[in-house]
Amino acid sequence: QKEVEQNSGPLSVPEGAIASLNCTYSDRGSQSFFWYRQYSGKSPELIMSIYSNGDKEDGRFTAQLNKASQYVSLLIRDSQPSDSATYLCAAPMYSGGGADGLTFGKGTHLIIQP
Amino acid sequence: EAQVTQNPRYLITVTGKKLTVTCSQNMNHEYMSWYRQDPGLGLRQIYYSMNVEVTDKGDVPEGYKVSRKEKRNFPLILESPSPNQTSLYFCASSWGPDSYEQYFGPGTRLTVT
Repeated sequence: QKEVEQNSGPLSVPEGAIASLNCTYSDRGSQSFFWYRQYSGKSPELIMSIYSNGDKEDGRFTAQLNKASQYVSLLIRDSQPSDSATYLCAAPMYSGGGADGLTFGKGTHLIIQP
Repeated sequence: EAQVTQNPRYLITVTGKKLTVTCSQNMNHEYMSWYRQDPGLGLRQIYYSMNVEVTDKGDVPEGYKVSRKEKRNFPLILESPSPNQTSLYFCASSWGPDSYEQYFGPGTRLTVT
């Protein structure tokens, strides 16, 4: 069973601080990783994608990938109340015939305290 | 505007009454997928489609059917809904199943009584 694991939280972070979200995955064959943000009752929207080991920065967001440790993280700098949401980590799932789609973690609920 | 649309957005129905949730995308994506989302269980894939007339089961396909007769449409059919199918359903589309962003529809909240 291919799995993507996340701490469900809630993770509470003061406004202006750095929020750090973590994810581990079980399939060593996964080559692409995605972070989605989901507000309550809304659909997931892509925040970051990362394909290579190391860091990828986009504005206040930095994704980090360590394939040897099967670990992906998302850092949110200068956290804002509008960042309060559930963050979903996703990685491809592969069967004998190739990729079937993305496996999503259950999400980390992030709360930014004003 | 590039988008995935779903209808209806909200539906309350009774056990055993067949229903269809429509999904349509205007991005010419080949890959489409249906998910259900339940508290504590996260997003789980129901069915997916790699292209027209090519569909396959995901992790939780029991009680659902799909079809892909046109590239843009991927309806989800519940032939005999049961209360355990009460959930939030999302349709998604993408250029491919693994290396590309999936675009999600707005969701359909289904209640089966």
